[in-house]
Amino acid sequence: QSALTQPPSASGSPGQSVTISCTGTSSDVGGYNYVSWYQQHPGKAPKLMIYEVSKRPSGVPDRFSGSKSGNTASLTVSGLQAEDEADYYCSSYAGSNNLGVFGTGTKVTVL
Amino acid sequence: EVQLLESGGGLVQPGGSLRLSCAASGFTFSSYAMNWVRQAPGKGLEWVSSISDSGGSTYYAESVKGRFTISRDSSKNTLYLQMNSLRAEDTAVYYCAKVNDYYGSGFDYWGQGTLVTVSS
Repeated sequence: QSALTQPPSASGSPGQSVTISCTGTSSDVGGYNYVSWYQQHPGKAPKLMIYEVSKRPSGVPDRFSGSKSGNTASLTVSGLQAEDEADYYCSSYAGSNNLGVFGTGTKVTVL
Repeated sequence: EVQLLESGGGLVQPGGSLRLSCAASGFTFSSYAMNWVRQAPGKGLEWVSSISDSGGSTYYAESVKGRFTISRDSSKNTLYLQMNSLRAEDTAVYYCAKVNDYYGSGFDYWGQGTLVTVSS
């Protein structure tokens, strides 16, 4: 199972929006509405930001939103803040033999 | 407060074995599937293994199948990962993670990770 494809980097100024794509196949992203997004600051454990494509866990700001079209999922961070600078990973359920294929990761920089 | 605390990492020679533990607290451990996810130095996340809430079903990434064994002890609220025939490419920080609700709904709590280094 290959990793999902994400752009290596993305950036935006404070207050702007940034969108990160996550491309898979019909066997993972396109086949299930089970895409999650994680934020990871250096030296820290990942944090769940979005699950089931567009749902936000309690405590995650509504500046974070998710969507999906076909085999590509997206995470949008609106109103960028300095603390949003981090690595972001998507993940998708891919059937009972592959419960969590991850994306290649995107480093978001707040200019 | 949900807490996951991994232990058992360290330096091991190629071909050696190691057992990781993850002590869970703050939730009903026996009600949730649990997982191991790893991250090689400077690299991305890789799902390693999952176990159902009852422990009756286990799942593995192809890269570790036949070498790693996941298990759980609900009486001790502890998750385990037995790693055998270790290779240099198994070097990583290993995180235990709790499923949000069910498989596919994401991993909502993670431990701080334990570093496994495979080197001679």
